[in-house]
Amino acid sequence: AQSVTQPDIHITVSEGASLELRCNYSYGATPYLFWYVQSPGQGLQLLLKYFSGDTLVQGIKGFEAEFKRSQSSFNLRKPSVHWSDAAEYFCAVGASYNTDKLIFGTGTRLQVFP
Amino acid sequence: DTEVTQTPKHLVMGMTNKKSLKCEQHMGHRAMYWYKQKAKKPPELMFVYSYEKLSINESVPSRFSPECPNSSLLNLHLHALQPEDSALYLCASSPGGGMGALSGNTIHFGEGSWLTVV
Repeated sequence: AQSVTQPDIHITVSEGASLELRCNYSYGATPYLFWYVQSPGQGLQLLLKYFSGDTLVQGIKGFEAEFKRSQSSFNLRKPSVHWSDAAEYFCAVGASYNTDKLIFGTGTRLQVFP
Repeated sequence: DTEVTQTPKHLVMGMTNKKSLKCEQHMGHRAMYWYKQKAKKPPELMFVYSYEKLSINESVPSRFSPECPNSSLLNLHLHALQPEDSALYLCASSPGGGMGALSGNTIHFGEGSWLTVV
């Protein structure tokens, strides 16, 4: 069965530092992968997605993610974090071709210190 | 600005009340979703409507009753809820036709409705 693992529950970084959030997936075929961000009390906003082509995907707010099939990973990166990036980040995978369903990871909470 | 609109943003209801959450989208999407999210947890899928037909029910208790009056609207009717049902309820939509890699579909989320059951 498809699954998504986010090994880091909570990450703290200083403003201006680089960031990498980890995501590992289990999927039998070509995965369809997403990163969403959720600010406190808000809905989920799509940062980026990967479904084919270039394995380095650019998203909004200066985020990027790299798909590595050999490592079953889709890690999210940002070269310089801003205080406004503090939020919950969810990695997700599309369940299959014939169902309209996403499978979410458990999330990583990002704290940013000035 | 979100393209999926949910009302109300906050709802407090008693355990004997009947209330409804409403969701609307005008993106022409044909799949609509209800998710439940507890604090510090990922969203949990409750229901999916695909082309106005219920396609997924994740074994949700019958005190939650979804309704899709048309392709733009999705309701969640609430009756005899328990305090543990207090959560953020997220509506979402996507073009429909699956979430496989070839679809290129994206799920768009609303801001959510905060439900407190007292």
